[in-house]
Amino acid sequence: QVQLVQSGSELKKPGASVKVSCKASGYTFTTYAMNWVRQAPGQGLEWMGWINTNTGNPTYAQGFTGRFVFSLDTSVSTAYLQISSLKAEDTAVYYCARCPVEGGLLKWYFDYWGQGTLVTVSS
Amino acid sequence: ELVLTQSPATLSLSPGERATLSCRASLSISNYLAWYQQKPGQAPRLLIYDASNRATGVPARFSGSGSGTDFTLTISSLEPEDFAVYYCQQRSNWPTFGQGTRLEIK
Repeated sequence: QVQLVQSGSELKKPGASVKVSCKASGYTFTTYAMNWVRQAPGQGLEWMGWINTNTGNPTYAQGFTGRFVFSLDTSVSTAYLQISSLKAEDTAVYYCARCPVEGGLLKWYFDYWGQGTLVTVSS
Repeated sequence: ELVLTQSPATLSLSPGERATLSCRASLSISNYLAWYQQKPGQAPRLLIYDASNRATGVPARFSGSGSGTDFTLTISSLEPEDFAVYYCQQRSNWPTFGQGTRLEIK
């Protein structure tokens, strides 16, 4: 069965960096795009961008450029989200989410999600 | 910028009742709309994609309809496990989500 398993909660100080992992299983990793979605405490869902699991090319949504980096290790079917220069407002749950691809085009809905990783930024 | 507006913000109903949730887009998005269910402490779960297609394993009591700017998620007869927050999401442009509708037990 399809699973996306994310790394555990993180507590970081402002200015530090964090790297969240998302390990996929139960399907061929490179046949689906991987997306990242943020949910601040008590708030809604915000799409951060996606990474092409074939080429490794990332695309970042507005507001998620500069400090946010998506990467892959296809040998272990894992996607990563790294956030640098952490701020208090980065405190949120971060989800990876799989997006089907059909005919080379993304279907732009998210059929499987990781369980989420809580990143807390506090001094 | 394309905005999705969900209504109502909170819906209070009893098990067995019918739930109707609305999502309105500020521009036409054809049928490029998905619905998700999120329970406390859990990841969102895909219910409906392309406005009316049920995702794998989703019970038949969930149905989606609409096109253009107005969309509806209907739960025909509420089960206790259906009380959750529901989000719509458009894919006409870059993905964006509505602000959510909380479905609570009356």
